[in-house]
Amino acid sequence: NAGVTQTPKFRILKIGQSMTLQCTQDMNHNYMYWYRQDPGMGLKLIYYSVGAGITDKGEVPNGYNVSRSTTEDFPLRLELAAPSQTSVYFCASSYGVSAGYTFGSGTRLTVV
Amino acid sequence: GQQVMQIPQYQHVQEGEDFTTYCNSSTTLSNIQWYKQRPGGHPVFLIQLVKSGEVKKQKRLTFQFGEAKKNSSLHITATQTTDVGTYFCAGSTGNQFYFGTGTSLTVIP
Repeated sequence: NAGVTQTPKFRILKIGQSMTLQCTQDMNHNYMYWYRQDPGMGLKLIYYSVGAGITDKGEVPNGYNVSRSTTEDFPLRLELAAPSQTSVYFCASSYGVSAGYTFGSGTRLTVV
Repeated sequence: GQQVMQIPQYQHVQEGEDFTTYCNSSTTLSNIQWYKQRPGGHPVFLIQLVKSGEVKKQKRLTFQFGEAKKNSSLHITATQTTDVGTYFCAGSTGNQFYFGTGTSLTVIP
């Protein structure tokens, strides 16, 4: 049982480039989330999804896009990367709105 | 917007001492969760509290939810080096959880 799998683990982007952070879970969870974590800060919600075909904005959605075509996958797209998007990105899933989250191991992204 | 504040930001303790971190919300929460993140790792779910005044224990860890459901605390008795990490609370009023800024715990052997 792999849980939540994120790829890649590390990435360096140049300003203006684009990339997709992949997230997949094998627990049949309906709820999935993308957070970013900056040094010394908590986790800020970027986007979340309550099921396939449904996505919604969190606290800090600007500069990002998501899609949820299947229950398992919830990719995060960065268009026109900016230095302010340098962060660690965590994907998480849960079986219900009030259930504990299972986090992936994270993607460390640097934009230069 | 939703604010969840956590104090202290950092705490250094001698091994064997107790440790407490506090979480405060500007609004009434429906429930609160606690997570632990080891250095370089990802957050791991510890527990969820739902009821007003609820107290739950996990071995040396004691979690409390305030009567007004606006604050919570995590207390560790007799810390060990394995307790090192950052402890986050996360409060919810609906579809999403808002994470506190975390308390980084260092345990000095």
